[in-house]
Amino acid sequence: ELKVEQNPLFLSMQEGKNYTIYCNYSTTSDRLYWYRQDPGKSLESLFVLLSNGAVKQEGRLMASLDTKARLSTLHITAAVHDLSATYFCAVDTWNRDDKIIFGKGTRLHILP
Amino acid sequence: DTGVSQNPRHKITKRGQNVTFRCDPISEHNRLYWYRQTLGQGPEFLTYFQNEAQLEKSRLLSDRFSAERPKGSFSTLEIQRTEQGDSAMYLCASSPLPGAVGEQYFGPGTRLTVT
Repeated sequence: ELKVEQNPLFLSMQEGKNYTIYCNYSTTSDRLYWYRQDPGKSLESLFVLLSNGAVKQEGRLMASLDTKARLSTLHITAAVHDLSATYFCAVDTWNRDDKIIFGKGTRLHILP
Repeated sequence: DTGVSQNPRHKITKRGQNVTFRCDPISEHNRLYWYRQTLGQGPEFLTYFQNEAQLEKSRLLSDRFSAERPKGSFSTLEIQRTEQGDSAMYLCASSPLPGAVGEQYFGPGTRLTVT
């Protein structure tokens, strides 16, 4: 069964610091997504990574995908309070049974 | 286009009752997904449709759950004989292309509370 594991599950950090969230998955896939969820809200798409070595950046967030290591990272640069949210990675098993499997999420709390 | 919409937004029901949720995807999106999310967890895949065909169902989708997308537009998710364990947020998402190449667009969710 496909597993998607994120770590850390909870992260409290100071504004201005850098940090990385890791997403490991247990099956071959070259489609990975990152989403953001604010409390009580639905999910907002951040990044779509569709090939090995893919790197995408938006503002202070940068996501990358290493399909050989089955690893994606979400890097936060010079964090600001507005980035406080829960971040989910999700793996697309399109080449197997066509499901989207989410990790448990990383709850990010940025202290002013 | 106003995005994916879901109704109702909140539903409180007594154990044993049936409930039905509706999802209206973004116009002309071929794929429609249903997920369940409990507190502190990521969304769990339940099922998806490509147009009106239901192509995949999770083992989470017990016999009490049924989903339809009769005309390839809106979809309904029905839960029969609800149990307290069914309490969760039910999320719907749509995607424009087969193979889900690209992000899914999520609706606001329906929060179900079973008392």
